[in-house]
Amino acid sequence: TQLLEQSPQFLSIQEGENLTVYCNSSSVFSSLQWYRQEPGEGPVLLVTVVTGGEVKKLKRLTFQFGDARKDSSLHITAAQPGDTGLYLCAGEGRNYGGSQGNLIFGKGTKLSVKP
Amino acid sequence: EPEVTQTPSHQVTQMGQEVILRCVPISNHLYFYWYRQILGQKVEFLVSFYNNEISEKSEIFDDQFSVERPDGSNFTLKIRSTKLEDSAMYFCASSESRVSNTEAFFGQGTRLTVV
Repeated sequence: TQLLEQSPQFLSIQEGENLTVYCNSSSVFSSLQWYRQEPGEGPVLLVTVVTGGEVKKLKRLTFQFGDARKDSSLHITAAQPGDTGLYLCAGEGRNYGGSQGNLIFGKGTKLSVKP
Repeated sequence: EPEVTQTPSHQVTQMGQEVILRCVPISNHLYFYWYRQILGQKVEFLVSFYNNEISEKSEIFDDQFSVERPDGSNFTLKIRSTKLEDSAMYFCASSESRVSNTEAFFGQGTRLTVV
């Protein structure tokens, strides 16, 4: 069974601090996606990482895909209150027949940035 | 900007009643999905739909669930006889092609409350 474990589950920090959240699995994923979800809304895609070791930057957000494609991290520099939200990682479900065409989600990291 | 729209935003139903959740995917997308998120838990895949038929479904998607694309624009999820444990946010999503490496766009969700 493919599982994505995210840590920490909750993170409360002050504005201006840096933070890293993690997404780990014992399974290899062809790609991993990071989403942000606001309360009462659907997930919104931030980035997709595809190549082992890949690093992608989105303004103050840096995403890294592990060399073995089993894990990923999201680093936020100088966090702002507007970064508050639920950050989800997701990967494509696969079985022995190949791609299942669906996404497996982690439980998410709930980030709160206080002014 | 094109978006996935879902109606209603909130549905309250009595246990045992049938409910239909509606979604209008992005117009040029070919793959459609339903996911659900029970309060405090992770987003879970229910079903994917392509070329007017189910392409994948999860263990959650039992005989009580069905999907339909009745008129070429709407994509519906029907729950025949709702149970208390069906209470959740239900998200519709669509993508241009199969989900791997392709962005899946999520709707804002329908909050289903079964009483």
